[in-house]
Amino acid sequence: GAVVSQHPSWVICKSGTSVKIECRSLDFQATTMFWYRQFPKQSLMLMATSNEGSKATYEQGVEKDKFLINHASLTLSTLTVTSAHPEDSSFYICSVPGRQYTEAFFGQGTRLTVV
Amino acid sequence: AQSVSQHNHHVILSEAASLELGCNYSYGGTVNLFWYVQYPGQHLQLLLKYFSGDPLVKGIKGFEAEFIKSKFSFNLRKPSVQWSDTAEYFCAVNTGNQFYFGTGTSLTVIP
Repeated sequence: GAVVSQHPSWVICKSGTSVKIECRSLDFQATTMFWYRQFPKQSLMLMATSNEGSKATYEQGVEKDKFLINHASLTLSTLTVTSAHPEDSSFYICSVPGRQYTEAFFGQGTRLTVV
Repeated sequence: AQSVSQHNHHVILSEAASLELGCNYSYGGTVNLFWYVQYPGQHLQLLLKYFSGDPLVKGIKGFEAEFIKSKFSFNLRKPSVQWSDTAEYFCAVNTGNQFYFGTGTSLTVIP
């Protein structure tokens, strides 16, 4: 299966600054990647679908200007949280679907804390 | 909209006890079903999946799940849990090009 690497694993930033999270598919070319947000004791909430070479598709209620997604290559997608606020503190997870969506492979997640 | 329900939010068992975690989904079409596990501090890993065929599927580490189409259910079972099974368990449904996850069940196994 695909190996998905997410960086950084955790980050603390000041309110008002921007944070970039990288998601790399190490051994699998991914035209699509998913970005999720996970709150404590809650499910993974799909934020957006990242599409290589085109604009990301955002889920309802997710601010595309705040959560910038760039999928510049078949192995890298980035999520930038712009002008972060404490309420953006969460666990962000990226995922790469397998061939024909027979499985989803996950990064280890990024714990973002905004102070 | 599709949804996945996990009824047990937190389960506490003693070692060697049997486990069953419920999962129900709402979608009338063809679905692929998954159970993922998230050990403390680690990423989600696939336990097992069902696409078609035998509705009783076996996964890693002694886990199995049964797909009951009439009940829209895909319950996870293990006859004898171990302390190392302490983790968060997520049921997921794939419909086409989307994955939908349940809210997760936190399992704590007491030695």
